[in-house]
Parts: sequence; C-alpha cells; structure tokens
Amino acid sequence: QVQLQESGPGLVKPSQTLSLTCTVSGGSISSGDYFWSWIRQHPGKGLEWIGYIYYSGSTYYNPSLKSRVTISVDTSNNQFSLKLNSVTAADTAVYYCARASQHDYFDYWGQGTLVTVSS
Amino acid sequence: QSALTQPASVSGSPGQSITISCTGTSSDVGSYNLVSWYQQHPGKAPKLMIYEGYKRPSGVSNRFSGSKSGNTASLTISGLQAEDEADYYCCSYAGSSTFVIFGGGTRLTVL
Repeated sequence: QVQLQESGPGLVKPSQTLSLTCTVSGGSISSGDYFWSWIRQHPGKGLEWIGYIYYSGSTYYNPSLKSRVTISVDTSNNQFSLKLNSVTAADTAVYYCARASQHDYFDYWGQGTLVTVSS
Repeated sequence: QSALTQPASVSGSPGQSITISCTGTSSDVGSYNLVSWYQQHPGKAPKLMIYEGYKRPSGVSNRFSGSKSGNTASLTISGLQAEDEADYYCCSYAGSSTFVIFGGGTRLTVL
C-alpha cells in the first residue's frame, strides 16, 4: 500500500519561501509509472493543482504559479519537494502531495499539511 | 484557465440518486476522456472515486458512476447513503500547457 506524508514548517513569513517535502513509502518514486504531485486547498475552498514531477526530473507546473514554484525529486530517499517563493497570505492553504497516474488521475494522497503565511 | 464549473450544492434523500455536473470546454473535458472525481469528507484528504471518465478504482462502490457528453462530465450516485455526504470535485487533463484543472467543488447533503 502506497503512503505519502508531507512534512515542513506550518508557519512561513510573508515574502519568504515555503518548503515542503513528501516522503513516499510502499512504492518507489523511480518506478516510472507515475507523476508525483503537489495540490493545495485554500481554507474552505476548492482544490488547486500546483504541479508534478517525473522521477527523471521533468516538471510540469500550473501556469498561474509557474514563476514561483520549484518541484524537485530525491530518488535516493524516495522523496519529492515543493518550494514556493515570495509567499503572501494568499498562499495560506492545506498542501497535499499525491501520486498521479501519468497526466491523469490522483490515486494516493498524503493527509495534507496546513501552511499559514503570517508575520 | 478557469476552473471547471460545478453546482455549489446538491441534495437528496437516502435511497435516491443524484447527479453532479462538471462543465468545461473543448480544451479540457471535451477533448479528453480523462475526467476524474474525488470525494472529500471534512478534514480529510480527497479520495479518488472515478477515473478516465467512468472507471472505478478497486474498493469504490458501484453506486458511483461517471459519464460524459460533449464538454460536460457527470457523476451519479445511486442509492444515496448518509456516508456519501461530502464535497465532490471533478478534475480534467487540459492539454500540454495547462495540464490539470479542477472543478470548484459540490457539497452533497443527504437529507
């Protein structure tokens, strides 16, 4: 059974960089069959896709966030990470990592982690 | 690109059937058979219920079904149960520039 777990600071100051890591267990990021994704949900709002990465390092980003987002992969530790720079209060959200089947559907999700942007 | 359009809320009584629509454009829902649906209970992560338009993952009840016509995808839940009360989101592949787009979500209330 594949499991994903987000980790990182729950509080980030405005203008700084939000950094999160997703640790994958029960399956290998390097299997090549999946894309590894970040999705966020603003409080009381809907889901917003941030981007995903293939084990080779190829990345695909939401055009609206592309200028501020970097997703990277660490196959040796079976982890992938999100960096979102120049954050504002509008980036306060629950951030989920998830496994995507090709460019298609998200079949396994982490439990989510709330990140608050505040001074 | 704008989110896919879903009704904000739907409701039904136990045992009834309901349908949630998800309207996109010819650039996303209309162009690909790659619509997925997610169920989210309060405080929980979304759960995949339907993928590639109509396919059910192992373990998902056959009371859940998906379909598509033109630019609109639909999720039907038959034999409503109290446990079905949740938020539902549609999602579509949207091509090699936008990639993924979600709907705004629909709150299902079981009366």
